[in-house]
Amino acid sequence: GAVVSQHPSWVICKSGTSVKIECRSLDFQATTMFWYRQFPKQSLMLMATSNEGSKATYEQGVEKDKFLINHASLTLSTLTVTSAHPEDSSFYICSARGARRRRETQYFGPGTRLLVL
Amino acid sequence: QKEVEQNSGPLSVPEGAIASLNCTYSDRVSQSFFWYRQYSGKSPELIMSIYSNGDKEDGRFTAQLNKASQYVSLLIRDSQPSDSATYLCAVNTPQAGTALIFGKGTTLSVSS
Repeated sequence: GAVVSQHPSWVICKSGTSVKIECRSLDFQATTMFWYRQFPKQSLMLMATSNEGSKATYEQGVEKDKFLINHASLTLSTLTVTSAHPEDSSFYICSARGARRRRETQYFGPGTRLLVL
Repeated sequence: QKEVEQNSGPLSVPEGAIASLNCTYSDRVSQSFFWYRQYSGKSPELIMSIYSNGDKEDGRFTAQLNKASQYVSLLIRDSQPSDSATYLCAVNTPQAGTALIFGKGTTLSVSS
């Protein structure tokens, strides 16, 4: 079964609105969570890395004020796309890393498709 | 610039054949190597991880690592149409912290 969940799976919003995406590790504590974005027919691009209780580290070119990341607990991280625009339409995937069954493991969530009209 | 390179394909093989997927990486101090499979419209799922030189087998899948050549490969034996997907090579390097650096993926098509 799934070990990392994301909600919502799909979201359609109007330009200028904000969208929050949740990522949860279901049966392990995620010390680190990663947020990726994937445009059609392209590879995964790392947006940011977050450790529980500390500020996220953003990759070059990713606006931290536009993509707000909160990692308040060891099982939950959120990504908020603020003032979304059509060019933000993409497939957003979180990944959680932590010790699961005594092994350091990294799993991906099922992804969230965002369409900004 | 830390890079992971893959041939984008498509790689086409007949059912039952061996599919060979290749990946090279630029950072010589890379430590951990992973193969993920991504079906269209889905998120990646982990197939194999390999950390030391040599071969690692898991069912129909074999990962091969050669750190001297900075090369990692994935062999799929007895390929099935259900193996048709994009295969992503991912590498972890100390400079990237705990993040994985992904290649652009190789699209595999297995014909019945």
